[in-house]
Amino acid sequence: SAVISQKPSRDICQRGTSLTIQCQVDSQVTMMFWYRQQPGQSLTLIATANQGSEATYESGFVIDKFPISRPNLTFSTLTVSNMSPEDSSIYLCSVDTGWWGASNKQYFGPGTRLTVT
Amino acid sequence: GQQVMQIPQYQHVQEGEDFTTYCNSSTTLSNIQWYKQRPGGHPVFLIQLVKSGEVKKQKRLTFQFGEAKKNSSLHITATQTTDVGTYFCWGENTGFQKLVFGTGTRLLVSP
Repeated sequence: SAVISQKPSRDICQRGTSLTIQCQVDSQVTMMFWYRQQPGQSLTLIATANQGSEATYESGFVIDKFPISRPNLTFSTLTVSNMSPEDSSIYLCSVDTGWWGASNKQYFGPGTRLTVT
Repeated sequence: GQQVMQIPQYQHVQEGEDFTTYCNSSTTLSNIQWYKQRPGGHPVFLIQLVKSGEVKKQKRLTFQFGEAKKNSSLHITATQTTDVGTYFCWGENTGFQKLVFGTGTRLLVSP
């Protein structure tokens, strides 16, 4: 199993500013992911955070807007840059306990509720 | 791109009634997982299905993976108020290239 914490749990930000969300796992994992979830909607994968290399972004998401760091196997950050009200959402990190592409189960962090005014 | 649709979007049942949600993919899946998200919470892993035609049971929950590995179902027998939440399927295509959550089915159970 994996226990995941996220900081902050929630924040209210001004448009044009940036917010960095931290994700900490209690064990080493190869695969970490960042998702966005609008209220009442499904989860949309933003990117896969790769340790020691650039993140892999999904269609519609770019590094300039959502820079991601993954300095080691237990920690990652997602920055939401130059925010607008459309970025208001819940951001969740998750880890997959599988190894090297063989998916197992995903464990999710509690999420960060972001409101942009 | 790959899409995973779930039906129904929403279901309201009386406690004790059965409930089924269906997950349909536009492409063949290498495996499918099911998650439950309680209101205000985060998704929690329920089960993973890998084999064509696979059926797994967890107490009152029965999960099935279709023969063509393009669809799956989750059936809850005799629902309880603790079953309230949104149920998502998650599919990985055979190229291990896309990790996609289904659209979700929100279940409300009245006592």
